[in-house]
Amino acid sequence: GEDVEQSLFLSVREGDSSVINCTYTDSSSTYLYWYKQEPGAGLQLLTYIFSNMDMKQDQRLTVLLNKKDKHLSLRIADTQTGDSAIYFCAESAGTALIFGKGTTLSVSS
Amino acid sequence: DSGVTQTPKHLITATGQRVTLRCSPRSGDLSVYWYQQSLDQGLQFLIQYYNGEERAKGNILERFSAQQFPDLHSELNLSSLELGDSALYFCASSVTGDLPPNEQFFGPGTRLTVL
Repeated sequence: GEDVEQSLFLSVREGDSSVINCTYTDSSSTYLYWYKQEPGAGLQLLTYIFSNMDMKQDQRLTVLLNKKDKHLSLRIADTQTGDSAIYFCAESAGTALIFGKGTTLSVSS
Repeated sequence: DSGVTQTPKHLITATGQRVTLRCSPRSGDLSVYWYQQSLDQGLQFLIQYYNGEERAKGNILERFSAQQFPDLHSELNLSSLELGDSALYFCASSVTGDLPPNEQFFGPGTRLTVL
């Protein structure tokens, strides 16, 4: 079945770049998504990428997709303390989303 | 603010009880999804409704049921509650529910604690 794996923690200093990695299993997924969850809040859709694309850039966010290796990454440039949150990778499975367990990003000043 | 509202924010109840969680989708969205977030299982898809009809089913227990009403709000009913049902329950909505990229917008969640 579908499965999405992420590393659990990432710690960076303010101003550095953060790279959060994700692997997925369902090669038929048409879209892959990144969501952000701040403490006590719901999930906020950050960006998504169509499976036939290699890269998508949106301001400080860059998504890279390696379809052959089923590897997805989210790069946050010039990471700020406000970026501290849990980041979820998700793949489409029909109309539902299959989420990874989330990567907790901690940004220190 | 995603535009998706959920009530109540917190719910504390006892084992064996029944509760109802409510969700109002974003204006114009026809599809509603329910997800459960727990520490051990992570975020899991439960069920989807589109324009009042069940569209897809995930890992939803038989003790749980949902419906979507003509005004498009949805309710998730959880019965015979067990300690393991304690979790955050999220509702999400999307415009159609199938046309890609099918962006889903999440509500703030209802935290259920079963004692």
